[in-house]
Amino acid sequence: SYVLTQPPSVSVAPGQTARISCGGNNIGNKSVHWYQQKPGQAPVLVVYDDSGRPSGIPERFSGSNSGSTATLTISRVEAGDEADYYCQVWDSTSDQFYVFGTGTKVTVL
Amino acid sequence: QVQLQESGPGLVKPSETLSLTCAVSGYSLTNGYYWGWIRQSPGKGLEWIGSIFHTGITYYKSSLKSRVTISVDTSKNQFSLKLSSVTAADTAVYYCARRRRIRGQNYFDYWGQGTLVTVSS
Repeated sequence: SYVLTQPPSVSVAPGQTARISCGGNNIGNKSVHWYQQKPGQAPVLVVYDDSGRPSGIPERFSGSNSGSTATLTISRVEAGDEADYYCQVWDSTSDQFYVFGTGTKVTVL
Repeated sequence: QVQLQESGPGLVKPSETLSLTCAVSGYSLTNGYYWGWIRQSPGKGLEWIGSIFHTGITYYKSSLKSRVTISVDTSKNQFSLKLSSVTAADTAVYYCARRRRIRGQNYFDYWGQGTLVTVSS
């Protein structure tokens, strides 16, 4: 089955840039989506189709995808960005179809 | 604005059937899109369970397929999840969500707030 690997944690100072990686076999050939989940809340879509931004999501959130790694970039990090972030792909050959990454906890110092 | 709201018992006994409903407002199920159930065990990641179209077409995660039934009631604009023979491993927050599709790839754009279901005697 297809596996998505994320670093368990990323720490960043306010105003700096956070980069969260999502590794997968030839992930550059897939469409990657990113969700933000704050404690006790439902996931919120922050990036779709590698770099698309849903309505209401700040421009500070951006995504890229190439080769074996997709990346979610959060610019000018704010305290409110502290959350877990999950990448996700659709894999029709997988027994689970929707593959979620292991998740990354972003801590704002 | 599309809104989803899960409801159902918060406590289910082992070997019994977990039943949840997702009420959708702000969007008619018959207008299209697939709808899905995703769960998250305490302190763990996200796990897709299954999805349904308003016509009743379904598809499930292979490892859960034998225990899962998802159904839709378009008259009430809601869809439901049944998971049979539950064990402690099924304890999780259960989310319902709307599926979107782009370039043949699927993702979820609207999510319910989630409901915690605990399996315990």
